[in-house]
Formats: sequence, C-alpha cells, structure tokens
Amino acid sequence: KAGVTQTPRYLIKTRGQQVTLSCSPISGHRSVSWYQQTPGQGLQFLFEYFSETQRNKGNFPGRFSGRQFSNSRSEMNVSTLELGDSALYLCASSPGDGSQPQHFGDGTRLSIL
Amino acid sequence: QKEVEQNSGPLSVPEGAIASLNCTYSDRGSQSFFWYRQYSGKSPELIMSIYSNGDKEDGRFTAQLNKASQYVSLLIRDSQPSDSATYLCAVNWDNAGNMLTFGGGTRLMVKP
Repeated sequence: KAGVTQTPRYLIKTRGQQVTLSCSPISGHRSVSWYQQTPGQGLQFLFEYFSETQRNKGNFPGRFSGRQFSNSRSEMNVSTLELGDSALYLCASSPGDGSQPQHFGDGTRLSIL
Repeated sequence: QKEVEQNSGPLSVPEGAIASLNCTYSDRGSQSFFWYRQYSGKSPELIMSIYSNGDKEDGRFTAQLNKASQYVSLLIRDSQPSDSATYLCAVNWDNAGNMLTFGGGTRLMVKP
C-alpha cells in the first residue's frame, strides 16, 4: 500500500509570492491534516480536511488555506509569503476519526528568500 | 491553552539499556495518545498509539498511560544505536477529528 505522497519535496520562493503544496493520502483514507514544523515552534497543526470540508483549524493566519478534492487529495496554499514561513510542511492522513493514528508524508521543505 | 510537555534531552543511554521517555499533557479529558519517532531530516513515523490506562507492548516498545496523572511514557527495551532519534509525543484532545498537539520532542542518543 502506497504511503502519503507530498509534492514537491523542496521549494524556494521569495517574499510576497504564493505557493501551493500537494498531498495524496493513503488509499482509503478520508482525513488529511497539515502541519508546520520549525526548529523554534516544533510541530504545529494547521488544518484538517475530511470529505472535502475543513473539520478543524489551527491558529494560523488567513494566508494559510487549503482544500480537499473528491478523491481525498489535498492542497495547501500560502499567500504573500513571509520569511517566517520557511519550514517543513507535513501532511498526514488517517481513515477518519481521531481515534485512528495519522501517517505522515515525507514533507515539503519550503525556503523563503 | 492545551499543552504537551516533554523533556528536550538529549537522553543518553548505553546500547542494550532501557530508555524511558516521558510526556505530560494538560487536559484530563484527552482521548488518544501517540508516539512518533523522527530521524534528523525525515518525517515523523508512528511507533505506538494508546487510548486506555495501562501498558501496551509492541516488540521492544511499551507505552504507558495514566490519565489520572495526565502522563504517558514510552519505554524502549534493549536500545540500539538505530533508535537514536527524536521522539515526539502527540495528543488528540477529542476524537471528533484529527488535530494533534505535539510535545517538543525528546532527543534520544544510544551509545554503542
């Protein structure tokens, strides 16, 4: 069974640009969550999508947004990039409710110049 | 503010010893608890999940949960140098969705 696939693996952008990251969950998984990992703040929850609807949202500004498609694939968009957005962005999928573990993809490393 | 706390380490143990990793959390009503291992430059990998009080064993790993004390731990028996990594404790406050709060992680170093 294929794992969680994130693309691209690496991205370099400049301040003010926008970026879209993609995540394909494990087959059959309907929940996709996004996390940001930085050395200073650790792993922080961004948002979760389930059945094309945002089910939970973390404490991030509106520049961070996402969506989920009918095949459960998800995208995350960050607009007006800031230097502080440099981070590893991780996507995790699970079958459904929170009692089942999430499995992470390899992440997208975003660097802002 | 719901929080998950871990000692950042590093925790250094000799090869073959038992490594004990600890985690405390702030919400007594929390439902699900997970341990992830993260090697440097890699993504988190699920090791164990635990949902009820007591011990849960899987190979060399044992997770222990005490909801009254708001405490979850991970024991690694017969530690190997390949176990050297950062171990992340994660809590799902309720099972309505998949919103994990992570501790800062404990760096484990197993010395040959």
